[in-house]
Amino acid sequence: QSVLTQPPSASGTPGQRVTMSCSGSSSNIGSNFVCWYQQLPGTAPKLLIYRNNQRPSGVPDRFSGSKSGTSASLAISGLRSEDEADYYCAAWDDSLSGVVFGGGTKLTVL
Amino acid sequence: QLQLQESGPGLVKPSETLSLTCTVSGGSISSSSYYWGWIRQAPGKGLEWIGSIYYSGSTYYNPSLKSRVTISVDTSKNQFSLKLTSVTAADTAVYYCATQGLSSSSTWRGGGWYPLPDGYFDYWGQGTLVTVSS
Repeated sequence: QSVLTQPPSASGTPGQRVTMSCSGSSSNIGSNFVCWYQQLPGTAPKLLIYRNNQRPSGVPDRFSGSKSGTSASLAISGLRSEDEADYYCAAWDDSLSGVVFGGGTKLTVL
Repeated sequence: QLQLQESGPGLVKPSETLSLTCTVSGGSISSSSYYWGWIRQAPGKGLEWIGSIYYSGSTYYNPSLKSRVTISVDTSKNQFSLKLTSVTAADTAVYYCATQGLSSSSTWRGGGWYPLPDGYFDYWGQGTLVTVSS
């Protein structure tokens, strides 16, 4: 059971905009920044979004993040086949004094 | 550009100690710009944070693993290491090392003020599979 809650799956067609959610509590998302990772099969996770909505250099602006209260969202616009991957949210948790992850959302591009 | 590489045995027997090393290149382990962290992923499962260390030696551990985990830094070799004792099959996973960002908040620890870790890991190693089996 992950501390942050993500839907197990999401899907979309090429060109579409998809969003995925991440729900937490006051001790993590509610009081700290959220980040998002993309994990392609057999590879290490790649940081997509940090500090709620900041993109590292090289991450396309098709990826965007937002946060409201104790929930966060990742949006992908102009969906491409190569976006098919697992997506994880994470945040620092003040109660645990550690990093907590969501269980991940598997994105399928139909 | 920072690069990280995990190394260590791919097979560990139950009840023994898992030991992994992360070698850092393209930057210094003594940098005050990062925490250095370990994350693992059991086969077919999600990501689990194990713990993180600052160059000063200040550590944070996952409460569920804290009694079995030690993370240390070797500045002479530009490496940091993970030791996990009394392993079981449940510890079978791909283990990643990564750099962790800094929070804008600080905390008093060990006689000094240090930044808290942020929740994100930006540079990752490729990961190494450790199987616990007799």
